[in-house]
Amino acid sequence: AQTVTQSQPEMSVQEAETVTLSCTYDTSESDYYLFWYKQPPSRQMILVIRQEAYKQQNATENRFSVNFQKAAKSFSLKISDSQLGDAAMYFCAYRSPTLYSGGGADGLTFGKGTHLIIQP
Amino acid sequence: DTGVSQDPRHKITKRGQNVTFRCDPISEHNRLYWYRQTLGQGPEFLTYFQNEAQLEKSRLLSDRFSAERPKGSFSTLEIQRTEQGDSAMYLCASSLNGRETQYFGPGTRLLVL
Repeated sequence: AQTVTQSQPEMSVQEAETVTLSCTYDTSESDYYLFWYKQPPSRQMILVIRQEAYKQQNATENRFSVNFQKAAKSFSLKISDSQLGDAAMYFCAYRSPTLYSGGGADGLTFGKGTHLIIQP
Repeated sequence: DTGVSQDPRHKITKRGQNVTFRCDPISEHNRLYWYRQTLGQGPEFLTYFQNEAQLEKSRLLSDRFSAERPKGSFSTLEIQRTEQGDSAMYLCASSLNGRETQYFGPGTRLLVL
């Protein structure tokens, strides 16, 4: 079974600074998907960024970028120019490829999360 | 898109009672997922549907749990004979198909007294 590990229970960063959240995973598959989700306090989980394992280029979404190291099974999230609205729990998640439309291990496997604090 | 909606948002019940939660996915999304999230943990996968067919169930889904998606649109998750250990946030997500991103609803927070 796949596992996802987020080794930083909590991170703190000054507003406008850059912070990197770590994520490692364990899998025997060669093709899969990786995600970072953000869960603000008492609000719903939203997708931050997504990476397909077959793509060598690291995904980027505005101030958010990833460092995907497939051989090392590492998937870190970098947040540049941190803003107060970035304060939230951040979850790294893994999903197996859907080999056929009828089924497969389609559920996401999440890490335990990193609580990001933005200091004004 | 109005997003994934869940009802109720909060539920308090006594141990031994049955509860039912509803999830309305994003329209035209044929995949619907249920997750459970306990305090301080990431969500854990419970089950998913493709249209009305339930295709996968986690070992976390005991016999007291049942999920349905009768017409391939909304889904219900029922917990029978609730236990205090069932207290958690129950999250629903939907996706257009198996390769697309899952979008989450706001969750139903269950407290079993």
